Amino acid sequence: GENVEQHPSTLSVQEGDSAVIKCTYSDSASNYFPWYKQELGKGPQLIIDIRSNVGEKKDQRIAVTLNKTAKHFSLHITETQPEDSAVYFCAASGVDSSYKLIFGSGTRLLVRP
Amino acid sequence: DAGVIQSPRHEVTEMGQEVTLRCKPISGHNSLFWYRQTMMRGLELLIYFNNNVPIDDSGMPEDRFSAKMPNASFSTLKIQPSEPRDSAVYFCASSSIEQGRNFGAGTRLSVL
Repeated sequence: GENVEQHPSTLSVQEGDSAVIKCTYSDSASNYFPWYKQELGKGPQLIIDIRSNVGEKKDQRIAVTLNKTAKHFSLHITETQPEDSAVYFCAASGVDSSYKLIFGSGTRLLVRP
Repeated sequence: DAGVIQSPRHEVTEMGQEVTLRCKPISGHNSLFWYRQTMMRGLELLIYFNNNVPIDDSGMPEDRFSAKMPNASFSTLKIQPSEPRDSAVYFCASSSIEQGRNFGAGTRLSVL
């Protein structure tokens, strides 16, 4: 089955700097890669996703890149703000079991003011 | 749109007691998911419903766990009897397509 590894487990950046979180997946058939943000006491919230037919997607300060050959994808946050502080999860799912999102272990991002 | 609504937000119970968690999905969403989140195991899919029918319950840890979806606007996750190792945050999520989903705020369960 699919396995998703996420790095780093914690990340501390200065406000205004960029943050990058990386994930690798094992199943080459996976075709959907969402990213979730989880704030303390809340459920995960979808912030951006990408499908395997594109290599990059942007939404304001957030971007996701996908390298299908290497089976890894990354979340990029530019001009970080204190409110970006949260736990971020990557996930992957495939065609055969599209409902089965396999989550990474999470990255705790701290943006220092 | 009120989002996915879960109740209760917090539940403290004693070992051996029955626990029922409730979920109201977003109107119009035909897929519903129950997840469990712990520090050790992360986010685990327990069960997946599509159009009120359980499609995959392979993530349900034991027979002590059961889930129902009697209609499109309501689902329950029941643990009977509860054990301390069931302590976790339980999330319900819904979606209109199988891959994108909205999570509720979760129920934090503590079994003493």
